[in-house]
Amino acid sequence: ELKVEQNPLFLSMQEGKNYTIYCNYSTTSDRLYWYRQDPGKSLESLFVLLSNGAVKQEGRLMASLDTKARLSTLHITAAVHDLSATYFCAASRDMGAQKLVFGQGTRLTINP
Amino acid sequence: EAGVAQSPRYKIIEKRQSVAFWCNPISGHATLYWYQQILGQGPKLLIQFQNNGVVDDSQLPKDRFSAERLKGVDSTLKIQPAKLEDSAVYLCASSPRSIKRLNTGELFFGEGSRLTVL
Repeated sequence: ELKVEQNPLFLSMQEGKNYTIYCNYSTTSDRLYWYRQDPGKSLESLFVLLSNGAVKQEGRLMASLDTKARLSTLHITAAVHDLSATYFCAASRDMGAQKLVFGQGTRLTINP
Repeated sequence: EAGVAQSPRYKIIEKRQSVAFWCNPISGHATLYWYQQILGQGPKLLIQFQNNGVVDDSQLPKDRFSAERLKGVDSTLKIQPAKLEDSAVYLCASSPRSIKRLNTGELFFGEGSRLTVL
């Protein structure tokens, strides 16, 4: 059974600092997804990582995938308040059927 | 392009009552999912449809939950009778038909239907 674990679950940081959210998954999965969720809102797709070594960047966020280590990271550079949200990673449980298994989420709070 | 539409956005019921949620996926998306998101947790898959057929309902509590996708487009999720632990946001998502070479497998989510069971 595919399990996805994120850490930390809660992260409070100051603007301008750098930090990394980690996402581990338990069984083979070649695809990894990162989503953002604002309070009371739905999930917004941030990154889709399709192969080992994949790296994607958008603004102050950068995601990477190491399928051998079963690890993905979401790195935040010079954080700003607008990045405060909950971030979820999800791995594909069955590529043919496109089933995503989500982690618990990391609630990120960025303080001025 | 219109996104995934869900209704109602909010629903409050008493335990043992019934409730139904509706979802209209993105046009042309053959795969439809219902996820349950309990406060403070990640979404958990309840059921997956491919067109109007069920692909996976292994985590659907079938004694009280049911879902259908007639005609392979809209879908409804019903809970009867509701329990306190069913309080959650029910998210509908859709995805293009299959994992093709250029298909990322990405899911597109609706705003969700928030259920409170008293």
